Amino acid sequence: QTVVTQEPSVTVSPGGTVTLTCASSTGAVTSGNYPNWHQQKLGQPPRALIYTTSNKQSWTPARFSGSLLGGKAALILSGAQPEDEAEYYCQLFYGGYWVIGGGTKLTVL
Amino acid sequence: QVQLVQSGAEVKKPGDSLRVSCIPIGYIFISHGISWVRQAPGQGLEWMGWIDTYNSNRKYAQKFQGRLTLTADASTTTVYMDLRSLTSDDTAIYYCVRDHNYVPDYWGPGTQVSVSS
Repeated sequence: QTVVTQEPSVTVSPGGTVTLTCASSTGAVTSGNYPNWHQQKLGQPPRALIYTTSNKQSWTPARFSGSLLGGKAALILSGAQPEDEAEYYCQLFYGGYWVIGGGTKLTVL
Repeated sequence: QVQLVQSGAEVKKPGDSLRVSCIPIGYIFISHGISWVRQAPGQGLEWMGWIDTYNSNRKYAQKFQGRLTLTADASTTTVYMDLRSLTSDDTAIYYCVRDHNYVPDYWGPGTQVSVSS
């Protein structure tokens, strides 16, 4: 069974920069896993942020970006705002199947 | 404006079957597939399966094989998620997500499902 692993929790200062990562139990994450990132605020449905590694949805703030970093997918937040406090999920593709990571709770403090 | 409209909350008993519907609005129904994702109370997101609304090609997560059926009805532009033999572990919010070319983009509001004797 494929497992996608994210940091359980991360804290960033307002205005700071933080990188969330997403690792695969099968090995390095590649563009062929079509990494997607979603944001979920408390009590709300998730909202898509990044698709196919680094592409932003039309509504995604410019301070969010995505990349591959050291064999993992990465979500980079530059200039964190209080409203960015949320749970962040990565989603990876494995030849017809998606697996979603356990999520990272981001605290802006 | 793209929206996914989902059916209302459900209360079920163990052993029951569940049907949740999802009606996409604001785009051509057969142009984008639909994934289903669920979230148990206080837990993360779990991908369940995907259906191509054009040809009804389906993919299911191994965990749900044999218990989950996704159908797409182009005449009513509705996607259905049927889950059988419910247990309390199926208590969750169920989301449909527009998903095409490896891009899950629009999420539905979710359908709350409670399974309890």
